[in-house]
Amino acid sequence: DVKVTQSSRYLVKRTGEKVFLECVQDMDHENMFWYRQDPGLGLRLIYFSYDVKMKEKGDIPEGYSVSREKKERFSLILESASTNQTSMYLCASSISGRGSVTDTQYFGPGTRLTVL
Amino acid sequence: GNSVTQMEGPVTLSEEAFLTINCTYTATGYPSLFWYVQYPGEGLQLLLKATKADDKGSNKGFEATYRKETTSFHLEKGSVRVSDSAVYFCALSDSTGGFKTIFGAGTRLFVKA
Repeated sequence: DVKVTQSSRYLVKRTGEKVFLECVQDMDHENMFWYRQDPGLGLRLIYFSYDVKMKEKGDIPEGYSVSREKKERFSLILESASTNQTSMYLCASSISGRGSVTDTQYFGPGTRLTVL
Repeated sequence: GNSVTQMEGPVTLSEEAFLTINCTYTATGYPSLFWYVQYPGEGLQLLLKATKADDKGSNKGFEATYRKETTSFHLEKGSVRVSDSAVYFCALSDSTGGFKTIFGAGTRLFVKA
């Protein structure tokens, strides 16, 4: 079974702090994604990566950056956390490189981040 | 642009009731359609998918048929259980959308014993 793990289930940070969210997948998937989930808004894509050291902006990249130095690991960075970044953050992976519309995404359990 | 609209919840049913969760989509290309489910405290997991028109996806008693003429992908189950209580997300992936997956807002289902 594909396993996607996230570094923390719950995180509390203060405004202005730099925050790192880590995601690791164990099935050699090409694609990795970061979403945020908010009530009534579903999932919104922040960034995704279809190869090591490659990244593309999603629909809401402002205030975030990402890093993919190894194939299995995709990090989301909040450079200076703000209260409007309080949310559930979900990491996902899928098998193919760029260009597939049929692939299933496999999700981690999520990190609930609270910014005070 | 591409979009997914699904019925607002919460939906509350008694055990053994029939379930329908409506989903309609807008896409400029030929999308693949998905239903994902999120159980309490967990991430999303694929429930079923369909990759072309008239395909029927099915899993765990749930079904959905890809209807191009009505741009719909409604989720159905004939007899729900308490364990089906979860949030259900309709989603699409399309080449004209940059191969990104677009998710609906989610529909929360409560099933009472």
